[in-house]
Amino acid sequence: GAVVSQHPSWVICKSGTSVKIECRSLDFQATTMFWYRQFPKQSLMLMATSNEGSKATYEQGVEKDKFLINHASLTLSTLTVTSAHPEDSSFYICSARATSGSTDTQYFGPGTRLTVL
Amino acid sequence: EDQVTQSPEALRLQEGESSSLNCSYTVSGLRGLFWYRQDPGKGPEFLFTLYSAGEEKEKERLKATLTKKESFLHITAPKPEDSATYLCAVQAGGSYIPTFGRGTSLIVHP
Repeated sequence: GAVVSQHPSWVICKSGTSVKIECRSLDFQATTMFWYRQFPKQSLMLMATSNEGSKATYEQGVEKDKFLINHASLTLSTLTVTSAHPEDSSFYICSARATSGSTDTQYFGPGTRLTVL
Repeated sequence: EDQVTQSPEALRLQEGESSSLNCSYTVSGLRGLFWYRQDPGKGPEFLFTLYSAGEEKEKERLKATLTKKESFLHITAPKPEDSATYLCAVQAGGSYIPTFGRGTSLIVHP
């Protein structure tokens, strides 16, 4: 159980275009999902926390108008990188929060490699 | 401020050479400590959650332990397929958002 999928797994786009990444919890409902960015050989950098039915909470330094997050259902959150530029190229990973009784665990998706030309 | 420090940053082992990875933390009110494994180009894979000092959990060649200040991930007789980056994360206080360490990169040579 506790499977999280991401789509697409990789995407190449031209500078100035927008890219949408989907994150789905396949076998559980997630009221909270997280979006991370990871640079080569570095740890995870939390970008934003997404709560179903409400606006996302962005970490300091993350442009909310560039990285649009929508969490429209208990199993789906999307990250849209608007007007992408080469510096937005990175590995984007989502996670979904699974709570059951006293347990509270994040399960991660497989990640999306974004390359902006 | 919550802090999570993992050591060593990198570890090279020969196949069968057991060792331990460390995760030390400074938090107020530990709610849970998590271990993840991350392979290159993939998202982290959940391994364990530990909730209180003295707790231990095992999975195949991995065993995680927890004290009031640190956690160890013991790897017994590792195999090359255990090569990965191991991440530790701590959930504390009133926040459900974990704080991640920088990870330990493990390479197991055949």
